[in-house]
Amino acid sequence: QKEVEQDPGPLSVPEGAIVSLNCTYSNSAFQYFMWYRQYSRKGPELLMYTYSSGNKEDGRFTAQVDKSSKYISLFIRDSQPSDSATYLCAMSKAAGNKLTFGGGTRVLVKP
Amino acid sequence: GAGVSQTPSNKVTEKGKYVELRCDPISGHTALYWYRQSLGQGPEFLIYFQGTGAADDSGLPNDRFFAVRPEGSVSTLKIQRTERGDSAVYLCASSSRRDDAEAFFGQGTRLTVV
Repeated sequence: QKEVEQDPGPLSVPEGAIVSLNCTYSNSAFQYFMWYRQYSRKGPELLMYTYSSGNKEDGRFTAQVDKSSKYISLFIRDSQPSDSATYLCAMSKAAGNKLTFGGGTRVLVKP
Repeated sequence: GAGVSQTPSNKVTEKGKYVELRCDPISGHTALYWYRQSLGQGPEFLIYFQGTGAADDSGLPNDRFFAVRPEGSVSTLKIQRTERGDSAVYLCASSSRRDDAEAFFGQGTRLTVV
């Protein structure tokens, strides 16, 4: 079993809908939690990162971490066709340490 | 530079050949990471440099893989006796300091071993 699990999708939503993404993990030592967006044939782009448990909001994006359940989420409000991409969760045990990624969820936002 | 730069963007090589992949991190970033991404998968960690030294090379799959960062800036990932299973996108990332959680990725080098 992988340390970080993520549903591969695809997740298809109409434009304007809320996109809900999540990851589960098994290693309680993870402290830093990131979400990356990756377009086809491009490198991952950092969207948000959160330290320990709690919520963080940045524009249309909200990240949530529940360490007690080993569960993290990303919500995208007012989704746009340009949000169509693969979303990767990643986590590390300490700042600057190697990242452990989920397999990614492919999201399609239809106009 | 403005971002992490990786060259070449694509590399096709024959089985058994030696390849070098180059990464130019964001100027001033002291931490540099190599990851490998297979089709439909998330990136997998290979090696991490802090300055010139490899702080963590636990992800290198075997001794055919080696990476250097001689002056603490540019890094080269070297693969000897390439195998078809080495085909993947090799990603480089950098962060500004040892304790910075934010890592920024390059576009990757797509390696195909035929």
